[in-house]
Amino acid sequence: ETGVTQTPRHLVMGMTNKKSLKCEQHLGHNAMYWYKQSAKKPLELMFVYNFKEQTENNSVPSRFSPECPNSSHLFLHLHTLQPEDSALYLCASSQGDRAGDTQYFGPGTRLTVL
Amino acid sequence: GQQVMQIPQYQHVQEGEDFTTYCNSSTTLSNIQWYKQRPGGHPVFLIQLVKSGEVKKQKRLTFQFGEAKKNSSLHITATQTTDVGTYFCARTDSWGKLQFGAGTQVVVTP
Repeated sequence: ETGVTQTPRHLVMGMTNKKSLKCEQHLGHNAMYWYKQSAKKPLELMFVYNFKEQTENNSVPSRFSPECPNSSHLFLHLHTLQPEDSALYLCASSQGDRAGDTQYFGPGTRLTVL
Repeated sequence: GQQVMQIPQYQHVQEGEDFTTYCNSSTTLSNIQWYKQRPGGHPVFLIQLVKSGEVKKQKRLTFQFGEAKKNSSLHITATQTTDVGTYFCARTDSWGKLQFGAGTQVVVTP
């Protein structure tokens, strides 16, 4: 256990569905991240929040919509996804978003888009 | 943006043998972090290297940062089945965000 939880752990959805991924960290960190991990591709940073403010949007399509209501919770809202969006979505947190801050990852949500 | 390149992509190791995986960059790195991801698991932080020529050890794992701070290596001695997984190095970009390499997937044969 790293102190970062994610729900659900597995999700299967159709292209017309709307779903949300949830991440919660119990480490008192100020920064939270969403990553996408596809087969045979490096971890891709999607979004960064620091003190609830979005500081990075790594050219992610608008069908992915993040929400950070407070420093402990992070959501990723999914809408009209494509099959190529099937991947492991990892949430991470760190003390801050500065260089060298260690990131602690959650277990991930395995998403399959049909 | 600049990425770190990891070699090899795959590493098959006989249990008990040693191996090394490398992380290379074309630009000078401010620091390098290493993570391990077990099959079906999530990345777990192993270590961070900051100083030129720095060497850190964790039991059978030895991490090294090159003198020019453009490369790093992870050497594992006497490989065990628990070493199975993918080892990622990650650099910090200009804005302080981590950029991960593609990883070295390690398979251990008993």
